[in-house]
Formats: sequence, structure tokens, C-alpha cells
Amino acid sequence: GAGVSQSPSNKVTEKGKDVELRCDPISGHTALYWYRQSLGQGLEFLIYFQGNSAPDKSGLPSDRFSAERTGGSVSTLTIQRTQQEDSAVYLCASSLDRVTETQYFGPGTRLLVL
Amino acid sequence: LAKTTQPISMDSYEGQEVNITCSHNNIATNDYITWYQQFPSQGPRFIIQGYKTKVTNEVASLFIPADRKSSTLSLPRVSLSDTAVYYCLVGGDNAGNMLTFGGGTRLMVKP
Repeated sequence: GAGVSQSPSNKVTEKGKDVELRCDPISGHTALYWYRQSLGQGLEFLIYFQGNSAPDKSGLPSDRFSAERTGGSVSTLTIQRTQQEDSAVYLCASSLDRVTETQYFGPGTRLLVL
Repeated sequence: LAKTTQPISMDSYEGQEVNITCSHNNIATNDYITWYQQFPSQGPRFIIQGYKTKVTNEVASLFIPADRKSSTLSLPRVSLSDTAVYYCLVGGDNAGNMLTFGGGTRLMVKP
């Protein structure tokens, strides 16, 4: 079946602009995660959605970052007033339900802020 | 949060067995231990998960001692294609503590 998909695959933007990154999880997966990975670094947790519960936003680095998940499926990560330090690969993952379940990752969106 | 500590990098040769150890001294009772593999320009991929003792699947084994304060991922007879970054995660149903990947271990397999 289809895996996790993300779009766009690459995004180049200018400092100060807003960007939206999209994630389509695996059908039926109730848990969805966003991570950020800077070049050569590990994954940094951003936000976690579980079903209809309030999302765990504990990893969002600033109030410029926000995410929503519509209808328990597609998720959008929005970065407002982008800064050069926001340049990274943004990875989305989904799992069947709980955090103990295997996470399936998408290919990521490479964001470059000039 | 359950913090994990892994070696930054390891080198090995084709055909050898590789053991990567992860320390997690403050693991909680309901925490599981999960390992992921990541190739360049790809998202991480699940390898194996365990709670205690030993777990084995078609690609790896996971050894967890009785105190669960560490775990060892064992890759039998590695090949060049096993060159990747390996992440150890510790967490349970409490959202947040499964989600710290850390820096991982960069494994380089040489011919």
C-alpha cells in the first residue's frame, strides 16, 4: 500500500516568507509526527497528533511554527516569517496508534531559506 | 524523558557482526526500546523493538539486560549496504518520551 507522502519534496524560500509543508499519512494511522533534521544531525521532535486528542506541541521551537491535522488525516506544518536557521529537512511519520507502534516515515521536505 | 546515549560512530568490515550499545539509565517501567536505521536522504526505518531479554527478527537482534538500563543492537554479518545511522529510542505511551531520536550512531561498513 501507499506509504507516507510529503510535499513539496524541496522548497526554497526567502527569509521572512511563510511556508506550508504537507504530510499525507498512511491510511488508518491515527498517530502523526513531525520532526526536523538539520544537516548531519539527529531528528528533532516538533509535534505529535494522536486521533482527536490535543496535539503534543512540546517540540515546536517557536511560535512561528504551527501545525494542524484536518479530519484526522492530512497534516500541514506552517512556518511563518522563515529564518535561515529554519533550513532543514522536515520529516513526517505516522503510526497505527500509540507511540510504541512503529513509525513510518515519509521522504521529507528539504527547506532552504535564503 | 528517557535520555539515550550512543556512540557517535563505529567502523566495521563486511561479514563482521556489529554490536551497537545504547544507554538509557532512567528508563521507565512502561518504556519500550526501539531502533531505527536511516540512510542518507531518507527517513528513518524501523528495525526492531523490545521490552526485555532478547528479540530477534530477520535483520537484527536486540539484547536487553534485566535492569533494562542499556540495550544492544546486533547486526549479523554486515554488508556495505548496512552503512547508515542507527537510532535508539526509549519511550512508552506517555507522548513525548518516545520522540527523542538523539544523534544516533553512524556505522561505516568497509570492504
